Amino acid sequence: EVQLVESGGGLVQPGRSLRLSCAASGFTFDDYAMHWVRQAPGKGLEWVSGISWNSGSIGYADSVKGRFTISRDNAKNSLYLQMNSLRTEDTALYYCAKSTSYSSPSYFDYWGQGALVTVSS
Amino acid sequence: DIVMTQSPDSLAVSLGERATINCKSSQSVLYSSNNKNYLAWYQQKPGQPPKLLIYWASTRESGVPDRFSGSGSGTDFTLTISSLQAEDVAVYYCQQYYSTPGVTFGQGTRLEIK
Repeated sequence: EVQLVESGGGLVQPGRSLRLSCAASGFTFDDYAMHWVRQAPGKGLEWVSGISWNSGSIGYADSVKGRFTISRDNAKNSLYLQMNSLRTEDTALYYCAKSTSYSSPSYFDYWGQGALVTVSS
Repeated sequence: DIVMTQSPDSLAVSLGERATINCKSSQSVLYSSNNKNYLAWYQQKPGQPPKLLIYWASTRESGVPDRFSGSGSGTDFTLTISSLQAEDVAVYYCQQYYSTPGVTFGQGTRLEIK
């Protein structure tokens, strides 16, 4: 059974940093690209960042470019999102999502339950 | 970026009736080399992550009831629920995966029981 479990969310002040993790199991992690998608309270889905199977291809939404860094550790079956210079508008539930492709953009067949990030003073 | 626009924003349908949700992309998501539309549909129930329903515009994900169907090509797509069940109350999103580096979602359509 595929499982994606996010952790690392919490309450943080504007301008500070936070690191999210996603532990994956139930599939061959290094065969697939992985992504972060967020959802602000009561709002829709927004793609944040994606990373190919071997970290060779990485992309970010314009809204987080230069502030967030995605990475993965295939030996640990884990995906990460380092979030710096956080803003109040980054407040959201952050989902880890599994791609159906090893590299190119694709749809997402599995999602975690999400990690809540609240940016507030 | 490709902008995805769904209509309507909300919809109320009687049990057993047909529900239709539309999705329009700002540019074609049909890849000519393989004749595939890079369009997916998701269902999100309250307090749950999105669930994949349809990919390649019309291919149903394993385990999804056959009352759900997707159609369309190029820039105009439709998700149809042929006979609405109570458990179908949710928000539905379309998503394009044609463009790089990232995908984009529609704003969502809230489906309720009339």
